[in-house]
Amino acid sequence: GAVVSQHPSRVICKSGTSVKIECRSLDFQATTMFWYRQFPKQSLMLMATSNEGSKATYEQGVEKDKFLINHASLTLSTLTVTSAHPEDSSFYICSATKGQGIYEQYFGPGTRLTVT
Amino acid sequence: DAKTTQPTSMDCAEGRAANLPCNHSTISGNEYVYWYRQIHSQGPQYIIHGLKNNETNEMASLIITEDRKSSTLILPHATLRDTAVYYCIVRNQGGKLIFGQGTELSVKP
Repeated sequence: GAVVSQHPSRVICKSGTSVKIECRSLDFQATTMFWYRQFPKQSLMLMATSNEGSKATYEQGVEKDKFLINHASLTLSTLTVTSAHPEDSSFYICSATKGQGIYEQYFGPGTRLTVT
Repeated sequence: DAKTTQPTSMDCAEGRAANLPCNHSTISGNEYVYWYRQIHSQGPQYIIHGLKNNETNEMASLIITEDRKSSTLILPHATLRDTAVYYCIVRNQGGKLIFGQGTELSVKP
């Protein structure tokens, strides 16, 4: 199997606060994890790629100081949205790969963030 | 990574085969064709991938033309639960998954 979980599934926060989203690979060790964002009626947009124990690589236009990514272990990556604003409201999705020549990405169920 | 072109939407009758086309005319020799689908408000689900040979698994079949410039995903007996957005993505092994707009498949009773 290749199960990826995310927590929380939904979160509502006030403008100016920070929110942490967790992504876990439940039954495999994930060498690489990815974070995506999806606005309503739009496709997924890759935000960053993270490898365990190293700094994340951010896509062009994604602010690394606003979207803090930590990949402290082979089964856990976290995305922290700092000083959230209403325009950060979105569906955040993570994915993970097993590595060792297996390149399929297995996606989490997503986290719906609403900033009021 | 090469870009792909897919129809915006398609309908399919329940129980019939759903054939979803994808054009990737600029695909290079070491790029694979991947298919994912996303049911509303869920994370994408891996379906199948291939390089140049046709592939089949428990979910679907992937037919890749000989020149590799296009492919077709086939769901042999579509059910209402197959209603989703289907993404065709071309990438190198280990490369990024860059999602286009996909095809919104509606399976109707």
